[in-house]
Amino acid sequence: EAQVTQNPRYLITVTGKKLTVTCSQNMNHEYMSWYRQDPGLGLRQIYYSMNVEVTDKGDVPEGYKVSRKEKRNFPLILESPSPNQTSLYFCASSTLIMGVKTQYFGPGTRLLVL
Amino acid sequence: AQKITQTQPGMFVQEKEAVTLDCTYDTSDQSYGLFWYKQPSSGEMIFLIYQGSYDEQNATEGRYSLNFQKARKSANLVISASQLGDSAMYFCAMRMADSWGKLQFGAGTQVVVTP
Repeated sequence: EAQVTQNPRYLITVTGKKLTVTCSQNMNHEYMSWYRQDPGLGLRQIYYSMNVEVTDKGDVPEGYKVSRKEKRNFPLILESPSPNQTSLYFCASSTLIMGVKTQYFGPGTRLLVL
Repeated sequence: AQKITQTQPGMFVQEKEAVTLDCTYDTSDQSYGLFWYKQPSSGEMIFLIYQGSYDEQNATEGRYSLNFQKARKSANLVISASQLGDSAMYFCAMRMADSWGKLQFGAGTQVVVTP
């Protein structure tokens, strides 16, 4: 079954304690990205990756890091989380072939930073 | 910069009635794709329907149809015969040809279906 998995699904942490949210896809997609969702703002892209070892900033990259060492994995790293990073996070993957119509989203990770 | 606008923060609709969710977009590009996603209270993003900028016919997927008016830069979602399970947040999103993997989202519309 084609899917994007994220772990953990729920996380409560404290300010400054480094954390990693993992993301993995089994569809051999080139493109992967992270979004955060906040009320009234929809989803905003944090970082994206066009392929292995190729990453770039999205619209709201401050306070986040990513890496893409393997095609299937795209972890999101918060080196020093702050309360304003409390949000719902989605990983997504997509092929770059024109005409393919959907992005696949992971189930989401709810993060609370105290 | 591209922008997606959903002007309805929330709406109530009676079961079995049709509902139209508004979405307007702003781009100067000719090649783009428009999406609608549903997000129930459980949080997952569920793909509903897609319209390509060059598609001449409005997209339909079961009870969902997309009213695409290219000149007005409008891509409204129509849900026919609403069901209680349609209660959710609905997002309109756009993808550009030069950044095909990135979606630009609107703020969303909360729909509550009442018996």
